[in-house]
Amino acid sequence: DGGITQSPKYLFRKEGQNVTLSCEQNLNHDAMYWYRQDPGQGLRLIYYSQIVNDFQKGDIAEGYSVSREKKESFPLTVTSAQKNPTAFYLCASTPRGGHIQYFGAGTRLSVL
Amino acid sequence: QQQVKQSPQSLIVQKGGISIINCAYENTAFDYFPWYQQFPGKGPALLIAIRPDVSEKKEGRFTISFNKSAKQFSLHIMDSQPGDSATYFCAASSNSGGSNYKLTFGKGTLLTVNP
Repeated sequence: DGGITQSPKYLFRKEGQNVTLSCEQNLNHDAMYWYRQDPGQGLRLIYYSQIVNDFQKGDIAEGYSVSREKKESFPLTVTSAQKNPTAFYLCASTPRGGHIQYFGAGTRLSVL
Repeated sequence: QQQVKQSPQSLIVQKGGISIINCAYENTAFDYFPWYQQFPGKGPALLIAIRPDVSEKKEGRFTISFNKSAKQFSLHIMDSQPGDSATYFCAASSNSGGSNYKLTFGKGTLLTVNP
């Protein structure tokens, strides 16, 4: 089955802790994206990557970091600098030159 | 600056009725306009999309109407069903450099279809 796998489904962060959200795709897509979703706020872009070893900040990158060492993987780290991390995080990917983004099932992050 | 404005924030429709969600954009560089449907606890999924050189696109009960001069587009759901109850997002696509594109999303509309 081709698709985008996000893990874990639920994640809890203690104050001062960094946590990493996993996103893996086997669609052979070039571009990958991370969004944050809050109630009534829509989807806001955190980071995106068009090719391996390259990524750009989105609209709300502060307090987050990413890496793109493999085409299939685009993990997101929520650092302790992100003071309000509670949200639903969505990973997406798109083929080269494509407009349509395909989404994973999301990770819900909460603060203990 | 919100580049894609979506309304209403929530909508309640009776089964069999027509649901209408509206979006407006400002950036004339947008060149593709998809609508996504999201069920609780799931990721958004593409519902239907349109390019700006087309004024209307229909797929089953779902229709996009596009007004390029007014920079507005809307989603119409005919014969709305309880299973259509979900959050709907409009989006607009622009080139992010190279051969890839970024999506700018509206804030979403929570649709409830009562049986």
